[in-house]
This record gives sequence, C-alpha cells and structure tokens, in this order.
Amino acid sequence: DAGITQSPRHKVTETGTPVTLRCHQTENHRYMYWYRQDPGHGLRLIHYSYGVKDTDKGEVSDGYSVSRSKTEDFLLTLESATSSQTSVYFCAISAGTKGATQYFGPGTRLLVL
Amino acid sequence: ILNVEQSPQSLHVQEGDSTNFTCSFPSSNFYALHWYRWETAKSPEALFVMTLNGDEKKKGRISATLNTKEGYSYLYIKGSQPEDSATYLCAFIGDSNYQLIWGAGTKLIIKP
Repeated sequence: DAGITQSPRHKVTETGTPVTLRCHQTENHRYMYWYRQDPGHGLRLIHYSYGVKDTDKGEVSDGYSVSRSKTEDFLLTLESATSSQTSVYFCAISAGTKGATQYFGPGTRLLVL
Repeated sequence: ILNVEQSPQSLHVQEGDSTNFTCSFPSSNFYALHWYRWETAKSPEALFVMTLNGDEKKKGRISATLNTKEGYSYLYIKGSQPEDSATYLCAFIGDSNYQLIWGAGTKLIIKP
C-alpha cells in the first residue's frame, strides 16, 4: 500500500470555525490532490499540488485553501466551515500527472454542525 | 463542462453470475481512462489505466474494454464472488488539462 496517511480521520466542528486537514505521504511523489466525496457525486477535485509551494484550483475550490511547504505534506484548510462542507475528504498522490495512477489515503470524515 | 456517466448506479448480481457495466465519457480530446475499485470503508484502488482505442485489460476475473471513438468503456466481472462487492469508479482524462474527471460510480452488490 502507498504510504499515505490523513489526519484527523474524523472531525466534528461548528459552522464558522476554521478546520485544517493534513495529508502525509512517504512515497516522495510530486503530485498531491484533495478530493471530496458526496453521495450521488463522483470524487470532486478541490485543489492539487504539483510541487512544493505549487498548487492550483480544482473543480470545487471555493471556501478551501491549501498549502504545501514540504514534499510529504499537503494541508487543506476550510477557512470558515459551513454545513455544505460536510463530506468525506480524500487525499491522493501520484508520481506523474499525465494519466498517472492515483493512490488514495484512508479519508477524513468531516461533519460541520 | 466534461461529463462522465456510469450506468447503472447500482447492480445486484447473484454469486457466480457474470456482469458488466458502462462508463461513458467525451469522445474528443481523449487521453486516458482509469477504472478504480472502492470497497466500503476503504479507499479507491486502481484497477486499470487504458489509453488506446480497442484496449482490453484483464486482472483475474475482471476485464475492461475501451472505445474512444464512441466514448465508452465496459467493465466485466466473470463469475462474481462476494468479495467483488464494491463501487467501481471510472475517471476520464482529457488532453487539455490532464485532471481526472470522475464518474459517480456503479455500486455492485453480490448476493450469496
């Protein structure tokens, strides 16, 4: 299994509070991704990173920011959590970008009350 | 807006029967198609990466075909077993930005 961990695995928070999710990899892969998964939807890309300090927006980036100060860590921040951000968040990594297989972390279940 | 459709949404199959389901994607600007298997309470795991029209890939009892000209891929499972119960996801990659566009998945339930 690819060495990807996510923390926390579960979190309950209140509307309006900031939340940071962490993705950590031990594979030294260049590309890292944050997805959210909701019933009836496929995985939707929030943000991705193609290197240290290099990030870009995905399909559903509003309300989220990311940072990557080290190859191994990719942080997702909800600046002011809303109930619509209740979801399961998956981090993924890949060695390349052009059609490369993505390897997923175990997911973080976030509930915003 | 690129759209990837998977059908059916869910499927109940008797153990031992064979089954198949579909992923439809844009037929233009194709770069690659991925299939992933996602078991409940686990993370998606890659099954196949397909790039050429007419490609056929196989992994044990699971196989997939690709038609890029008409924009579809089939996933086949031969002799379904309870451990095949999972959601099967496909993801399309176009040659404009190389991001994966995911289908919503087909949930397969194998009845013993």
